[in-house]
Amino acid sequence: GAGVSQSPSNKVTEKGKDVELRCDPISGHTALYWYRQRLGQGLEFLIYFQGNSAPDKSGLPSDRFSAERTGESVSTLTIQRTQQEDSAVYLCASSLVLAANYEQYFGPGTRLTVT
Amino acid sequence: DAKTTQPPSMDCAEGRAANLPCNHSTISGNEYVYWYRQIHSQGPQYIIHGLKNNETNEMASLIITEDRKSSTLILPHATLRDTAVYYCITGENTDKLIFGTGTRLQVFP
Repeated sequence: GAGVSQSPSNKVTEKGKDVELRCDPISGHTALYWYRQRLGQGLEFLIYFQGNSAPDKSGLPSDRFSAERTGESVSTLTIQRTQQEDSAVYLCASSLVLAANYEQYFGPGTRLTVT
Repeated sequence: DAKTTQPPSMDCAEGRAANLPCNHSTISGNEYVYWYRQIHSQGPQYIIHGLKNNETNEMASLIITEDRKSSTLILPHATLRDTAVYYCITGENTDKLIFGTGTRLQVFP
């Protein structure tokens, strides 16, 4: 079946512009996660959704970052007034439920470059 | 910060077993040990997880010490396609898994 998809696969934007990154989770997966991976580094957790709700937004790097999820399906990560330090691969994952015994399925990521 | 410690890199000959260690000395009783891997330019891929008992699936085996302060991921017959960064993660739930920098495994012919 279809896996997690993300769009666009690559995004180049000028400093100060806003960007929207999209994630389509596996159908029926109630939990959705966003991570950021800077070049040569590990994954940095950003936010998770249980259904359409994000109970904890403390992982978002600044108030320029926001995320939403609708219909317990697609999620959008928005970065306002992008800065060069926002350049990274943004990864989305989903799992059937938010529980310890359920693996996360990752998408291929969106590579964001801020010039 | 990651709650696990892994060697930054390891080499393994093709066909041999790859044994990847992980220290998680501060693990709590309810925390699982998860292993994921990331092949170059792809999203991470789940491998295996466990709580107390050793686990085995079609990809790997997970050996957890009795005190649960460390574990070893075993790839029984490494292939070139197993070259990747391997992440060892602990957590009670999947809501805030913290991926460290992992171990870069290089399988050579």
